[in-house]
Amino acid sequence: EADIYQTPRYLVIGTGKKITLECSQTMGHDKMYWYQQDPGMELHLIHYSYGVNSTEKGDLSSESTVSRIRTEHFPLTLESARPSHTSQYLCATRRDTTDEQYFGPGTRLTVT
Amino acid sequence: GENVEQHPSTLSVQEGDSAVIKCTYSDSASNYFPWYKQELGKRPQLIIDIRSNVGEKKDQRIAVTLNKTAKHFSLHITETQPEDSAVYFCAARPGGSQGNLIFGKGTKLSVKP
Repeated sequence: EADIYQTPRYLVIGTGKKITLECSQTMGHDKMYWYQQDPGMELHLIHYSYGVNSTEKGDLSSESTVSRIRTEHFPLTLESARPSHTSQYLCATRRDTTDEQYFGPGTRLTVT
Repeated sequence: GENVEQHPSTLSVQEGDSAVIKCTYSDSASNYFPWYKQELGKRPQLIIDIRSNVGEKKDQRIAVTLNKTAKHFSLHITETQPEDSAVYFCAARPGGSQGNLIFGKGTKLSVKP
C-alpha cells in the first residue's frame, strides 16, 4: 500500500549532535514538505520541494537543511541540535496534478 | 500573503450534538480548502475538502460549507461520537501558489459521552 514513512519515529539526542530525519514515500508524488509541530498545535512549514533537485525554505525560519536527490526521499538535517529544536517533525507529500496533501506519521525529537 | 483564522480554539460537546468549526481566509484567490483531523499521537488525516467552485460538500456525518463572498468556510459534524475527539485543522491554498497550504491554528474538539 502506498504510504509515507518517517524514521526514526522517536529520537532523544544531546545538544550539538548532528541528526538526519528520514522521509520516504511510495505515493509516487512529486511535491514533498516538512512541517514542524508542537503536539496538537499549529503546523509550520519549514521546507518544501517540487521535485528532484528542487528545495525551498518555508514560512518558518529553520536551522535545518534538506535535499531531494531522489523523488522518493526528502531527508531533513540538523547540523547541531539544540533544545529549541525539540518538536514533532511531519513530512507530507502531494501529487503535482491534484490538491490532496498527505502526512507521514512524524518524528518526535527531543534535544537534551 | 494568505492568513487563515480558526475558531474556536477549543470546543466541548455532548455525544450526539453537532459541532461547528469556522475558518476565515484573507486571499480572495484561494481555491482549495481542506480539513484535517489529528488524533492524539497520530498524523493529520484529510477528512474532507472543498474547492472554490463548490458551496457545500457532505460526507456522511461531516460537511463543509464555503462562502467565497465572506471568505469563510466551516466544518460541520453531526451526531458527534467520542471518536470524533481530536484536533481539527482548516487550511487554504492561495491562488497562484504551487500548492503550499496555509493552516489555521487548530480546534481541539472534545466529545463527552
